[in-house]
Amino acid sequence: RKEVEQDPGPFNVPEGATVAFNCTYSNSASQSFFWYRQDCRKEPKLLMSVYSSGNEDGRFTAQLNRASQYISLLIRDSKLSDSATYLCVVNTGRRALTFGSGTRLQVQP
Amino acid sequence: DTAVSQTPKYLVTQMGNDKSIKCEQNLGHDTMYWYKQDSKKFLKIMFSYNNKELIINETVPNRFSPKSPDKAHLNLHINSLELGDSAVYFCASSQVRLRETQYFGPGTRLLVL
Repeated sequence: RKEVEQDPGPFNVPEGATVAFNCTYSNSASQSFFWYRQDCRKEPKLLMSVYSSGNEDGRFTAQLNRASQYISLLIRDSKLSDSATYLCVVNTGRRALTFGSGTRLQVQP
Repeated sequence: DTAVSQTPKYLVTQMGNDKSIKCEQNLGHDTMYWYKQDSKKFLKIMFSYNNKELIINETVPNRFSPKSPDKAHLNLHINSLELGDSAVYFCASSQVRLRETQYFGPGTRLLVL
């Protein structure tokens, strides 16, 4: 079983749509959680950290369920510029990040 | 004023050659990393250095040797390059704390022919 699992997509949605991505992780000792965004042929960039209480940053909402070992990302009012690969990322305390394989989002006009 | 920089951006070379990739960060971070992203886009940790000391060394062939001359630099030397080494190599850095954000360099695209 992969340490971090994501649906690879692609998710093709129209502008203005709401889209949700899910991710599960296998190591119950995982300490911190993130969503990173990676544009085509670019480096990953932090989108947001994920907290147990859930957190929101503009149109983006992240949720963490430690009991189910499940992380989610909700994007409201999708923009063309949201098209990218979204990487679910977990830190198990070894200081290195464990990445999911990414979920590709394509927002269409 | 690039935060994490890597050179070269592109590297095309023949099997059997030896090559190096350089990484520098100007963020004052104390931990640096090398990741490999293969053709399936899967990012995997290779090495991590904290204050010039190796702290993570994943199952990587010993043809790969990281070198950290100081906290701001982490170079990757690869001996006897093989076709399977073709990938994008990302350097990253972070500051050790409970919830540390890692900042990535632009990547080095290595193609072994």
